[in-house]
Amino acid sequence: GAVVSQHPSRVICKSGTSVKIECRSLDFQATTMFWYRQFPKQSLMLMATSNEGSKATYEQGVEKDKFLINHASLTLSTLTVTSAHPEDSSFYICSARPWANYGYTFGSGTRLTVV
Amino acid sequence: AQRVTQPEKLLSVFKGAPVELKCNYSYSGSPELFWYVQYSRQRLQLLLRHISRESIKGFTADLNKGETSFHLKKPFAQEEDSAMYYCALSRYNTDKLIFGTGTRLQVFP
Repeated sequence: GAVVSQHPSRVICKSGTSVKIECRSLDFQATTMFWYRQFPKQSLMLMATSNEGSKATYEQGVEKDKFLINHASLTLSTLTVTSAHPEDSSFYICSARPWANYGYTFGSGTRLTVV
Repeated sequence: AQRVTQPEKLLSVFKGAPVELKCNYSYSGSPELFWYVQYSRQRLQLLLRHISRESIKGFTADLNKGETSFHLKKPFAQEEDSAMYYCALSRYNTDKLIFGTGTRLQVFP
């Protein structure tokens, strides 16, 4: 089946540094990918829609300059958390829909801890 | 704007009991509805899509447009069904997926 690979699975960084999270579609091409954030014991909150070859579309309340998204190829989208602060600590998950008549596939997530 | 509501945060049942996880949505157009399951320390997995009308792991869900609901049902719960269940809605085939707040199902032996 369609697989989305996310890397790294865990990252710890110092406050003020930037962290990049990669999301790859392994056996399909994804013109669109989605980035979610999940707080402990809470639901997934959509952050942005990543569009191959164009700018990402951010949800209301999500800072574009804080969460930089790049979707340079049909199989790779990256989320960079810039100047990270402890409040950015969370679980970040990417997703894509391989084909129109198919469900959305999710990555295994990245647990970011900012110290 | 579209919205998905799961009124129960936690649902606890004994093994063999029927289960119904409620999901209501608000959307003026024709939605595409899903149920996703997240087992402990695992990624989200697709459980059901309303379009496919299939039964997975004994679970079924019927879209009721009149009541704007997509409740998930299983006649006899199993311990391995214990997980977090999310109802989600999409407007178009490739549009973003919006999640409900989730319901944790606990099945006791």
